[in-house]
Amino acid sequence: NAGVMQNPRHLVRRRGQEARLRCSPMKGHSHVYWYRQLPEEGLKFMVYLQKENIIDESGMPKERFSAEFPKEGPSILRIQQVVRGDSAAYFCASSPIGQGGTEAFFGQGTRLTVV
Amino acid sequence: AQSVTQLDSQVPVFEEAPVELRCNYSSSVSVYLFWYVQYPNQGLQLLLKYLSGSTLVESINGFEAEFNKSQTSFHLRKPSVHISDTAEYFCAVTPTDSWGKLQFGAGTQVVVTP
Repeated sequence: NAGVMQNPRHLVRRRGQEARLRCSPMKGHSHVYWYRQLPEEGLKFMVYLQKENIIDESGMPKERFSAEFPKEGPSILRIQQVVRGDSAAYFCASSPIGQGGTEAFFGQGTRLTVV
Repeated sequence: AQSVTQLDSQVPVFEEAPVELRCNYSSSVSVYLFWYVQYPNQGLQLLLKYLSGSTLVESINGFEAEFNKSQTSFHLRKPSVHISDTAEYFCAVTPTDSWGKLQFGAGTQVVVTP
C-alpha cells in the first residue's frame, strides 16, 4: 500500500504563472487535507476535501488559490498568478475517515519556489 | 479556536542525553493531541497521540509524552537520544467533536551531536 503521493516534489514557477500541485491519497482514503509550511513556521491548514466536495476551506487565501478532489484522479491544489510569497512547502495528508483523532498520513510535500 | 505554543525553537542535545520538548495549548473545547516528526525534506510522521485514557503515551522508538489537562501541556520526552533523532518535532491539536483539522505549533528543531 503506497503512502500519500505528491508530485512534483519540487516546482519552480515565475511570478504570474500557475502552479498545480497533485496529491494521490492512500488507497481507501477518501479524506484529503492540504497544509502549507512557510519557512521557519509550522504547518497551516488550508483546505479539507472529500471526493467531489470541499468540506472546509477556511484556511485558503481568498484569491488565486483553489482545490479540488474529483471522483477520479488525484486532488489538485491550484495557485494562479503566483507571487514570491507563495514560496513554501505544500503538504497533503489523507485519512480513511474525517473524525478527529484519526491519524492523517502525510505526503513528502511539494516545495514551490517562485522566482 | 485552538492554539499551540512550542516554547523552544531549537534544542541542541548530546547523544545519549535526555531531551524534553515543551508544548502548551489553549482551547475552549476538548482536544486530541499529537506529536509529529519531520526529517529533512520529508513529510510528517506521527510519533504519538493522546486521545483518551492514560495520560502517558509512548512511541515505539522510546519517546513518551504526558497530557496534563490542568497545565494544558503535552510535553515530549526521551531519556536517551540518538543521532538519528535529529529532526523537527511538531505538536498539534484537533477538536474531539469535529473533523480532524490539525492546529500545529511552530516546531522545535532537535539537533543531536556526538
